[in-house]
Amino acid sequence: QKEVEQNSGPLSVPEGAIASLNCTYSDRGSQSFFWYRQYSGKSPELIMFIYSNGDKEDGRFTAQLNKASQYVSLLIRDSQPSDSATYLCAANAGNNRKLIWGLGTSLAVNP
Amino acid sequence: DTGVSQNPRHKITKRGQNVTFRCDPISEHNRLYWYRQTLGQGPEFLTYFQNEAQLEKSRLLSDRFSAERPKGSFSTLEIQRTEQGDSAMYLCASSGTGGEQFFGPGTRLTVL
Repeated sequence: QKEVEQNSGPLSVPEGAIASLNCTYSDRGSQSFFWYRQYSGKSPELIMFIYSNGDKEDGRFTAQLNKASQYVSLLIRDSQPSDSATYLCAANAGNNRKLIWGLGTSLAVNP
Repeated sequence: DTGVSQNPRHKITKRGQNVTFRCDPISEHNRLYWYRQTLGQGPEFLTYFQNEAQLEKSRLLSDRFSAERPKGSFSTLEIQRTEQGDSAMYLCASSGTGGEQFFGPGTRLTVL
């Protein structure tokens, strides 16, 4: 069964620190990986996607992909209290672009 | 607003009643997805459309659930004979050729 795994947390970091969120996936055929942020009671919001091995940076966010290790991570630099949310990792599963989801990691950024 | 929209945002119903939700995707997106999410869980895939064709339906989905996308634009999700276990957030997402899925605000269903 295809799976995406994340530590549920909570991950607690002080304001201004780097938050590191990790995700592993089981399907070697997955080609695309996505990070979504979800605030309590709201729908998921896409913040990063990555297709190639290595790093991809967008503002304070960096996604890292290592296909050999089947590992995806998200780094959030200069963490802010507004970054406190659940972060969902997802990997595509096949040509229909269906996503396999992790359960999410809860992040708390403390002022 | 050119994002994904869903209606209604909240629905309270009594067990045994039928409910229908609507999703309007981003206009240029040809793929549309329905998910269900309960507290502490990731989104659970329900079904997927490419244009008007329903290409996949979750095996977890009972026959009480049906979805349509008649003209390849908006989609509806109907739940017949609702049960308390159907209480959840129902999420719709759409994607174009890039594959990134963008979510609507969701419809929160409460079955009493």
